Amino acid sequence: AQSVAQPEDQVNVAEGNPLTVKCTYSVSGNPYLFWYVQYPNRGLQFLLKYITGDNLVKGSYGFEAEFNKSQTSFHLKKPSALVSDSALYFCAVRDSHTGGFKTIFGAGTRLFVKA
Amino acid sequence: KAGVTQTPRYLIKTRGQQVTLSCSPISGHRSVSWYQQTPGQGLQFLFEYFSETQRNKGNFPGRFSGRQFSNSRSEMNVSTLELGDSALYLCASSLEGGVGDEQYFGPGTRLTVT
Repeated sequence: AQSVAQPEDQVNVAEGNPLTVKCTYSVSGNPYLFWYVQYPNRGLQFLLKYITGDNLVKGSYGFEAEFNKSQTSFHLKKPSALVSDSALYFCAVRDSHTGGFKTIFGAGTRLFVKA
Repeated sequence: KAGVTQTPRYLIKTRGQQVTLSCSPISGHRSVSWYQQTPGQGLQFLFEYFSETQRNKGNFPGRFSGRQFSNSRSEMNVSTLELGDSALYLCASSLEGGVGDEQYFGPGTRLTVT
């Protein structure tokens, strides 16, 4: 079965500094990896995905993620953090299931960006 | 394009009661998935519907059920509510529910069971 792990419950960064939110995955076959963000009292928003191709994936709001097959990682990055980036971030993988697919989410990493 | 909508946004129910939650996907999206979000268990997959058929089901008891209508709108039902069912229930839609499809989430229904 597929799985993702987010080793950090919380990441603190100062505004203007680069940020990294870590994710490692375990899959059989090709990985289909996603990042979602959840703001307070709202549903999840899609940020970016890796299906195939370039290892550096660009997404919404200036975020990008680097796929590293040898390290089985898919870390989320942003060159310069904003206070408004403070939210809960989920790494996810698509898993095949009888008749279709389901999304398996990591436990989430809470990002705090301090002004 | 309108996003995914969920009704109601908040519900308070008593143990033993049943509840029905509704989800309207983005226009043109045929796959609807449901997730339960709790502080302790995180995001857990409940089920997925595609073209009015349940295509996937997570590890939840039979008290949790759902359906999808011909216009892709979906409902989920929880019968004989337990305190542990208190959670945020999220609905997500995607075009076809394919392996590479990103999902678009509604704001959720916050269910409190007392």
